[in-house]
Amino acid sequence: QAVLSQPSSLSASPGASASLTCTLRSGINVDTQTIYWYQQKPGSPPQYLLRYSSDSDKQQGSGVPSRFSGSKDASANAGILLISGLQSEDEADYYCLIWHSTAWVFGGGTKLTVL
Amino acid sequence: QVQLQQWGAGLLKPSGTLSLTCAVYGGSFTDYYWSWIRQPPGKGLEWIAEIHHTGFTNYNPSLKSRVTISQDTPKKQVSLHLSSVTAADTAVYYCARVVVLVDYTSGWFGSSGTIDLWGHGTMVTVS
Repeated sequence: QAVLSQPSSLSASPGASASLTCTLRSGINVDTQTIYWYQQKPGSPPQYLLRYSSDSDKQQGSGVPSRFSGSKDASANAGILLISGLQSEDEADYYCLIWHSTAWVFGGGTKLTVL
Repeated sequence: QVQLQQWGAGLLKPSGTLSLTCAVYGGSFTDYYWSWIRQPPGKGLEWIAEIHHTGFTNYNPSLKSRVTISQDTPKKQVSLHLSSVTAADTAVYYCARVVVLVDYTSGWFGSSGTIDLWGHGTMVTVS
């Protein structure tokens, strides 16, 4: 079982909200983790969006709109990236990242389509 | 403006060794960790390794036996060597700058997951 699981794809309409999940493998407690989120558009390197540990310990990337926010769902053992007021430019691949054991681990990524 | 310039052989034969170098221009080398991350065509990101100028390193366990990451502080360069390559190592390889976490009370420091600068990527094909 992968350390981090993300849905391979998600579709949402312009103006709507999209909730992207990053589920941690059983045995890795989301409550103790800081979740980092990245956005990647075709042909470009990823860009840092934000990190979320708790409501009192979070950071927005430089220049990242407040439409992007992080949270956790402890019941699902998952980190969440919420994108509100979806715009066509938000269409991209999104990756989560955590530190696990002795290494950084990326989730498999979610392709967000805005249509 | 800080830039990461990376270079290395783009085509390798199986069993060969991948060698990439990344140079930092216009910014600090010692204030950050430096990582290598790869992305196979059409697939997701895979973290490979990271290094600090003090010599601290971390490696992806699945690649550790084949990977060496090194740094040359005066030249502000980071290098990656991956031995015994196969077609599965075909990917775009990115050099990246990682923000350092510091606990000023204890003196502890380590890498964060905040990768705030990426190189342009180098496509490496093993065939």
